[in-house]
Amino acid sequence: DAKTTQPPSMDCAEGRAANLPCNHSTISGNEYVYWYRQIHSQGPQYIIHGLKNNETNEMASLIITEDRKSSTLILPHATLRDTAVYYCIVRAVNRDDKIIFGKGTRLHILP
Amino acid sequence: EAGVAQSPRYKIIEKRQSVAFWCNPISGHATLYWYQQILGQGPKLLIQFQNNGVVDDSQLPKDRFSAERLKGVDSTLKIQPAKLEDSAVYLCASSPQGLETQYFGPGTRLLVL
Repeated sequence: DAKTTQPPSMDCAEGRAANLPCNHSTISGNEYVYWYRQIHSQGPQYIIHGLKNNETNEMASLIITEDRKSSTLILPHATLRDTAVYYCIVRAVNRDDKIIFGKGTRLHILP
Repeated sequence: EAGVAQSPRYKIIEKRQSVAFWCNPISGHATLYWYQQILGQGPKLLIQFQNNGVVDDSQLPKDRFSAERLKGVDSTLKIQPAKLEDSAVYLCASSPQGLETQYFGPGTRLLVL
């Protein structure tokens, strides 16, 4: 089973920041938080990952709480092309640890 | 850099028939994964290869599914015989060493009638 809990769906207005929450209350010290997204009819696409510190790249920012039990993915200026299913995944730093996808959050960007 | 290639993109077969999917990972990526994604669910790992060896096939239904990666590069996934519940998208992904980001192909959409 997935080790994360996400809301099934969210709406966000185009141009606004989209904040996608994820709960991972049983996360272990050696486990990273990964985010992927899947646009309709495409394979999942890596967005960002982090261990403890907040991370930012050209796609998004990842905010991890101090106790590491939850995190938020932030898309700073959402566009219609950001409409997708967003998956939050917890994965250990172990080459044999598999990625377990949950059902994710279906994000709708509204024009 | 070319991405993960998969073929065919779509396949329709009748139950009890056989089907094969092909995947060519990103050049130099040692780890290759096959996932099954049923409509409305997240992808589920079927099998993971490290070069041409199997790392994890615990969720592969071995009575009907088989996969190989003979030369440590491209891979095939076969279903024989297919069942109605095998209707899904089959995704292939690769990563440089298994620790890093996984890069996914576009998937093969299978419909079993």
